[in-house]
Order: sequence, then C-alpha cells, then structure tokens
Amino acid sequence: EAGVTQSPTHLIKTRGQQATLRCSPISGHTSVYWYQQALGLGLQFLLWYDEGEERNRGNFPPRFSGRQFPNYSSELNVNALELEDSALYLCASSFVFGNEQFFGPGTRLTVL
Amino acid sequence: KNEVEQSPQNLTAQEGEFITINCSYSVGISALHWLQQHPGGGIVSLFMLSSGKKKHGRLIATINIQEKHSSLHITASHPRDSAVYICAVRSGGNEKLTFGTGTRLTIIP
Repeated sequence: EAGVTQSPTHLIKTRGQQATLRCSPISGHTSVYWYQQALGLGLQFLLWYDEGEERNRGNFPPRFSGRQFPNYSSELNVNALELEDSALYLCASSFVFGNEQFFGPGTRLTVL
Repeated sequence: KNEVEQSPQNLTAQEGEFITINCSYSVGISALHWLQQHPGGGIVSLFMLSSGKKKHGRLIATINIQEKHSSLHITASHPRDSAVYICAVRSGGNEKLTFGTGTRLTIIP
C-alpha cells in the first residue's frame, strides 16, 4: 500500500512569491492535515481538511490556505512568502476522525 | 508553559541500553501519539494510545491518564534507533495535534 506522498521534495522561492505544495493521502483516507516545522521550532498544526471541507486551522495568518480535492488530495498555498516561512511542511492523512495519522516525507520550502 | 513537555531534550546512550523518554501534558486528551523523525525529516507514527500500554517489537509505550504522563521505552537499543522522538496529544473533539519539542536520541555503537 502506497503511503502519503508529497510534492515537490524541495521548493525554493523568493520573498513575496507564492508557493504551492501538494499532498496525496493513503488510499481510502479522507482526512488530510498540514503541519509546519520551522528550523529550531517544533511541529505546529496548520490545517485540517476532511471530505473537501476545512475543519480546523492553526494559529497562522490567512495567507496560508489550502483546499482538498474530490479525490481527497490536498494543496497548501502560501501567499506573499516571508523569510520565516522557510520550513519543512508535512502532510498527514487518516481514515476518519479520531484515527491514527500517517505522515508524508515533507516538502522543504526555502524562501530567499 | 507548553501544553506538552518532553524530557530529556537530548539523550546519548550505548548500544544495548534501555531507553526511557517521558512526555507530560497539561490538557485533557483523547489520544497521545509517539512519532519518530529521522534526519531528513520523514516522520513515522510509532504509537497512538489513549490508555494502558502498547508494544511493538522493542518499543513500548505507556500512558497514565490520571497523571497526564506517557513514556516511550526502547529495549536493547541500537544505533538505528537514533532519531528525534516526538510526543503529540489530541484533545477531545479536535483533530489538531499539539506537539512536544522532541527528544534527540543518539545510540553509540
């Protein structure tokens, strides 16, 4: 069974640009979660999507947004990039509410 | 004070030693996760538990809900166990995970 996949592996952008990160959940999983791990900081919850709807978001500004498609894959968009957005962005998926989350390998975003 | 505290922050041990990593939390939870993160960033989910004890190979996780405390034990540690171990809690009715800052484990051959 294929795990959670993320693309791209690495992404380099300049300040002010937009970044788009993609995540494909494990087959059958309907929930997708996005997390940010900035250098020197722990993992922080960004967004949770389930059945195409945003269910919860962490303490991040509105320029962090995303969506979930009918096939349950998800996209994270970060607008007006700032230097401090440089981080590892991890996606996870789970079957339904309350189940174990399985993580993807991450996308490392560097903002210059 | 963070909602999730881990100790120790760093741990170096000799191969074969018994390892214990602790996690304390201050909120009511519906589940606690133990995660392993290797250099390069990939995260593997080791355990999800809401009560008692779980075992998988050389790994054992326990949780005491009354004391708001969990431990991760590694028996017969091996250099390949070297990684960052992260505790995360999920509060009832909310799928958001709150993470500890991690414990960096180094096993020396």
